Amino acid sequence: GEKVEQHESTLSVREGDSAVINCTYTDTASSYFPWYKQEAGKSLHFVIDIRSNVDRKQSQRLIVLLDKKAKRFSLHITATQPEDSAIYFCAANDSGYNKLTFGKGTVLLVSP
Amino acid sequence: NAGVIQTPRHKVTGKGQEATLWCEPISGHSAVFWYRQTIVQGLEFLTYFRNQAPIDDSGMPKERFSAQMPNQSHSTLKIQSTQPQDSAVYLCASSGGGQDTQYFGPGTRLLVL
Repeated sequence: GEKVEQHESTLSVREGDSAVINCTYTDTASSYFPWYKQEAGKSLHFVIDIRSNVDRKQSQRLIVLLDKKAKRFSLHITATQPEDSAIYFCAANDSGYNKLTFGKGTVLLVSP
Repeated sequence: NAGVIQTPRHKVTGKGQEATLWCEPISGHSAVFWYRQTIVQGLEFLTYFRNQAPIDDSGMPKERFSAQMPNQSHSTLKIQSTQPQDSAVYLCASSGGGQDTQYFGPGTRLLVL
């Protein structure tokens, strides 16, 4: 089955800087890559996704890049704000089906 | 739109007791997923229904876990003879089907003593 590795376990940035979280996956059949944010004591909140027919997607301050050859995707948060502090999870759909395989999460701390 | 509803939010059971967790998907969503989150294992897929039919239960522990979706408005996850290692946050998600975004509920925190 699919395996997703999330490379940064923690990431600390200053407010206004950019943050980048990198993930790699193993299954070439994976075609859908969502990102979720989890704040302390709360559930997963969808933030952005990318499908395999594109290599870049932007939503306001969030940019997702997908490199299918390298089986790598990344989340870029520009102009970070303290409220961006949370755990971010990357995921990939398993073998092109609907169930998601998640990375272990990255704790992002944005200091004022 | 109330989002995905999960009840109860917290449940404490004694070892060997049964636990039933409930999920109400977003109205109109055809797919329901169950995941489990623990510190050690992270987020793990358990099972998935589409149009109430079970599609994939490859993540379900075979012996004590079962899931049903008797109608389009709710799904249940039942754990028989709960064990301490079943302690986790159980998350339900729903989507419109296909590779649509999965929206997660608040989760049920299960503690087995």
